Amino acid sequence: NAGVTQTPKFRILKIGQSMTLQCAQDMNHNYMYWYRQDPGMGLKLIYYSVGAGITDKGEVPNGYNVSRSTTEDFPLRLELAAPSQTSVYFCASGGNKNTEAFFGQGTRLTVV
Amino acid sequence: GQQVMQIPQYQHVQEGEDFTTYCNSSTTLSNIQWYKQRPGGHPVFLIQLVKSGEVKKQKRLTFQFGEAKKNSSLHITATQTTDVGTYFCAGISSGSARQLTFGSGTQLTVLP
Repeated sequence: NAGVTQTPKFRILKIGQSMTLQCAQDMNHNYMYWYRQDPGMGLKLIYYSVGAGITDKGEVPNGYNVSRSTTEDFPLRLELAAPSQTSVYFCASGGNKNTEAFFGQGTRLTVV
Repeated sequence: GQQVMQIPQYQHVQEGEDFTTYCNSSTTLSNIQWYKQRPGGHPVFLIQLVKSGEVKKQKRLTFQFGEAKKNSSLHITATQTTDVGTYFCAGISSGSARQLTFGSGTQLTVLP
C-alpha cells in the first residue's frame, strides 16, 4: 500500500496562476481532508469530504476548490494564486470520523 | 465553529526532564486524537481517546481525556532527543460534526 500520495512535492507559482494539487489514497477510505500549514503554525482545514460526490468547507476555504469524483482521489484547485497561499499543503484520509487520519508527505507551495 | 487550543506553543526541556502539553476544545468532543510531526515531516498518528476520563500509556507517553470530553493532555516522562517535534491534538465535535480540527500544536525541543 502506498497510503496517501501527494503530487507535486514542491511548486513555485506566480501570482494569478492556477494549479491543482493532487491527492490519492489506496486504503478505500471514505474521509479525506485538505489542510494547510503555515511556517511554525498548526494545521488549518481547507476542505473535507466524507465520500465520493460529497465535499464540505473547512475553516479556510476561500481561494480553493475541491472535487471528489472517486473514493481514491481528492484534488485541491487553486485559482488565481496569491502570496497568502504560500504554505505547506497536507492531504489526509481516514476510514470514518472516529479513526486515525493518514497524512501524505505534503506539497510545499510558494507563490511569488 | 469549533476551536481547539493548545498550550504551551513552545517548550524547551533538558534531556531527561518531563514535558506536558494541554489541549482545550470550545465544544464537547466525540474523541481526541494526538499526532506527532517531526521537523520537515508530516503528522503521524499517536493515539485516540474516546471515553470520558480515559487514560492511555505508550511507554513514556501518557495521554488523558478530560471528564467533560473538552480537554486532554499528553505527558512525556524523561524526554529523549528522539521526542523532538510538534505535538498536535485533534478532535471532532460530538453529534453530526465531521470536521477533524487540529490544535495549534506544541513544539518540543529537547536539549542534550
